[in-house]
Amino acid sequence: QQQVKQSPQSLIVQKGGIPIINCAYENTAFDYFPWYQQFPGKGPALLIAIRPDVSEKKEGRFTISFNKSAKQFSLHIMDSQPGDSATYFCAAKVPSGSRLTFGEGTQLTVNP
Amino acid sequence: NAGVMQNPRHLVRRRGQEARLRCSPMKGHSHVYWYRQLPEEGLKFMVYLQKENIIDESGMPKERFSAEFPKEGPSILRIQQVVRGDSAAYFCASSSGTAGGYEQYFGPGTRLTVT
Repeated sequence: QQQVKQSPQSLIVQKGGIPIINCAYENTAFDYFPWYQQFPGKGPALLIAIRPDVSEKKEGRFTISFNKSAKQFSLHIMDSQPGDSATYFCAAKVPSGSRLTFGEGTQLTVNP
Repeated sequence: NAGVMQNPRHLVRRRGQEARLRCSPMKGHSHVYWYRQLPEEGLKFMVYLQKENIIDESGMPKERFSAEFPKEGPSILRIQQVVRGDSAAYFCASSSGTAGGYEQYFGPGTRLTVT
């Protein structure tokens, strides 16, 4: 019940495309859903996060869509660039806990 | 550098040796979390500490692993008698007390290789 399932495992798009990465969860106690971006050899960087009381959040070219009834959330990257090529992780957290529960990651490649 | 700092960045140990990984949280942050990332996998929570206290160690292996966050100095993750299966990237994250652990900022990680 603590799992977060992420898909796809890898994704290739052309520059300017809109990659979409999806995550699903079971634990309805989760109340915080961040996305992290990780470049090879680097630590994960907090990209954007959402709480379940809103259905969408935008920050620059990154948008989170949240569907509480379906227990799913997704990351959209508008006008993707080769510099967006990285591994993206979704995560979730319960109010009473300390840990972030991470998805398995999606390796995104944006071709020029 | 106001970010989370970890050292060493790369660590090579032979089987049976001890590994010590250090983490200095972001300025103003008093909460530290350790995560482990195995090759081609996501990050797995290990332990959560505040100054001089272990708050949640439910993700730590029962043997050989320990963590501390002393009043002065960095947090340390210690792995005794390392085995090949300990080879992984170990990441430290920090958050402020007011954030309630929601916004966790990660360091660059320590890549441990056990030969």
